[in-house]
Amino acid sequence: EPEVTQTPSHQVTQMGQEVILRCVPISNHLYFYWYRQILGQKVEFLVSFYNNEISEKSEIFDDQFSVERPDGSNFTLKIRSTKLEDSAMYFCASSGGGFLNEQFFGPGTRLTVL
Amino acid sequence: DAKTTQPNSMESNEEEPVHLPCNHSTISGTDYIHWYRQLPSQGPEYVIHGLTSNVNNRMASLAIAEDRKSSTLILHRATLRDAAVYYCILRDRGAGSYQLTFGKGTKLSVIP
Repeated sequence: EPEVTQTPSHQVTQMGQEVILRCVPISNHLYFYWYRQILGQKVEFLVSFYNNEISEKSEIFDDQFSVERPDGSNFTLKIRSTKLEDSAMYFCASSGGGFLNEQFFGPGTRLTVL
Repeated sequence: DAKTTQPNSMESNEEEPVHLPCNHSTISGTDYIHWYRQLPSQGPEYVIHGLTSNVNNRMASLAIAEDRKSSTLILHRATLRDAAVYYCILRDRGAGSYQLTFGKGTKLSVIP
């Protein structure tokens, strides 16, 4: 069964450094998403991406964040100048298209900012 | 998205049916009712969705009240693998948004 994969599973970084979280969505999917979950809190939407551009973003997704689909398979989230409060699980998701299509989530990347 | 209310936690015995309630008294006519779950240390997983009629799939059933102000996710035979946080999410088809807005959900514990 096709699945969304994410690398790395755990990333430790120093405050102020840049990190890139990588995702490989399901191959024929058209919509891509990033969510995050701070430990013990709700899953929060960050951004959605369709047709090579951002289609929606939340207030969390400020200039510190960027997304890219550098080739036909990867979808990345870049966080510049990381802060302690960026420590969270980051989930990538993809869907086939259409409002009712289910979103398939990856296993997440745990980001720890020291 | 319209607001949903779910119990913080529920318990079920293994192999028993589980009824997970969700109240959404401010639901609009274009809101679809979606359920996702999150197993421990995993990403969320789609369970089921519906608009007005009851729905069944291989994972669960969704019973929607006639006035649509509440719904119930039914797991017919709970297994240990069903222990998870279950999220009831309203998605407005008319809003043009594809994002999922998660609440705190219901943490289901399954007792062997």
